[in-house]
Amino acid sequence: NAGVTQTPKFQVLKTGQSMTLQCAQDMNHEYMSWYRQDPGMGLRLIHYSVGAGITDQGEVPNGYNVSRSTTEDFPLRLLSAAPSQTSVYFCASSYESTYNSPLHFGNGTRLTVT
Amino acid sequence: AQSVTQLDSQVPVFEEAPVELRCNYSSSVSVYLFWYVQYPNQGLQLLLKYLSGSTLVKGINGFEAEFNKSQTSFHLRKPSVHISDTAEYFCAVSDFTGTASKLTFGTGTRLQVTL
Repeated sequence: NAGVTQTPKFQVLKTGQSMTLQCAQDMNHEYMSWYRQDPGMGLRLIHYSVGAGITDQGEVPNGYNVSRSTTEDFPLRLLSAAPSQTSVYFCASSYESTYNSPLHFGNGTRLTVT
Repeated sequence: AQSVTQLDSQVPVFEEAPVELRCNYSSSVSVYLFWYVQYPNQGLQLLLKYLSGSTLVKGINGFEAEFNKSQTSFHLRKPSVHISDTAEYFCAVSDFTGTASKLTFGTGTRLQVTL
């Protein structure tokens, strides 16, 4: 059981470049989300989805786009990378979008924007 | 709006000693509380959660936490730590009407266990 798979593990971008961080889960979870983790700031929610075709913004959505065409996949797109987006990005999923469903996290993507 | 404060960014402790990681929260409604652990180069995993009922919650790896509504705290404890407990620990709160989308994390406490 692979759980939540994120690719790539590491990425270096130049300012202004675009890229997509991939996230896939094989647990048939309805809820998926993206967090960024920065030193001293914990994890902050970027975007989330409660099911295929439904997405919404979290705490820090600016500069990021998402879509959810299938239950399994929830890619995160950076349209024009900025140094402020240097961070570790985590995708997480849960069975349903309720307090009672623990989040399952991927191992993260470490992104550096120069 | 809800928030979580983890007062200690780092906690050094010797192996087999007890440890307490502090967490305080603020919320205008009833909350659900969680502790997650992050081992090096990995994602987070759930340690334990408080939803209702007994205020003392037991989790994996011998950890437990106590919900104190009057002090708005949810401190994590372990009576005897092991080297393998070295990790970063995150307290999180979800509001009563909430979904996982409203899960707010603290800034984390790095537990460093040494011999």
